[in-house]
Amino acid sequence: RKEVEQDPGPFNVPEGATVAFNCTYSNSASQSFFWYRQDCRKEPKLLMSVYSSGNEDGRFTAQLNRASQYISLLIRDSKLSDSATYLCVVNSNSGYALNFGKGTSLLVTP
Amino acid sequence: EPEVTQTPSHQVTQMGQEVILRCVPISNHLYFYWYRQILGQKVEFLVSFYNNEISEKSEIFDDQFSVERPDGSNFTLKIRSTKLEDSAMYFCASRTGGWTEAFFGQGTRLTVV
Repeated sequence: RKEVEQDPGPFNVPEGATVAFNCTYSNSASQSFFWYRQDCRKEPKLLMSVYSSGNEDGRFTAQLNRASQYISLLIRDSKLSDSATYLCVVNSNSGYALNFGKGTSLLVTP
Repeated sequence: EPEVTQTPSHQVTQMGQEVILRCVPISNHLYFYWYRQILGQKVEFLVSFYNNEISEKSEIFDDQFSVERPDGSNFTLKIRSTKLEDSAMYFCASRTGGWTEAFFGQGTRLTVV
């Protein structure tokens, strides 16, 4: 089983739509979880950390389900500028490495 | 805003040559990383460096690779005897603590010909 798995998409949605991405991870001892955003041929940029209680940042909401080893990202009122690849990132068992999923591609269309 | 900087942005090298990729992490960060991303593929962990030594490395990080923090600011990745399959984007990253978010540099695109 891969350490971090994501649906690669692509997700094509119209502006204003709500879209949700899911991610599963294999290491039950993982302690830190993040969503990063990556634009074409650019570096990953932190979108938000994911906390056990769930957290929200503007139009973005992240949830963590430790029992199911599942992380989600909800984007409301999608903008054209949200078009990117969204990377689910989970700390390794040792705590040192960050393990990336392959990413989910989002295209928001006018 | 502090940022991770990498040089060069693009490096072209002949197969079999050695390359050194350079990074300046954010100044108060304690954990340093190298990742690579082959075109169209996922971001892959290579190595982490903490307290002046390698703290974790992946299977990719074999004897061909080495890292160094020669002074208080630079963090380098050396690739000996480059192969065609080493062509990728190499990202440096740093973080304050072991469980905090990491910040990435803009990457060095390595092309081996």
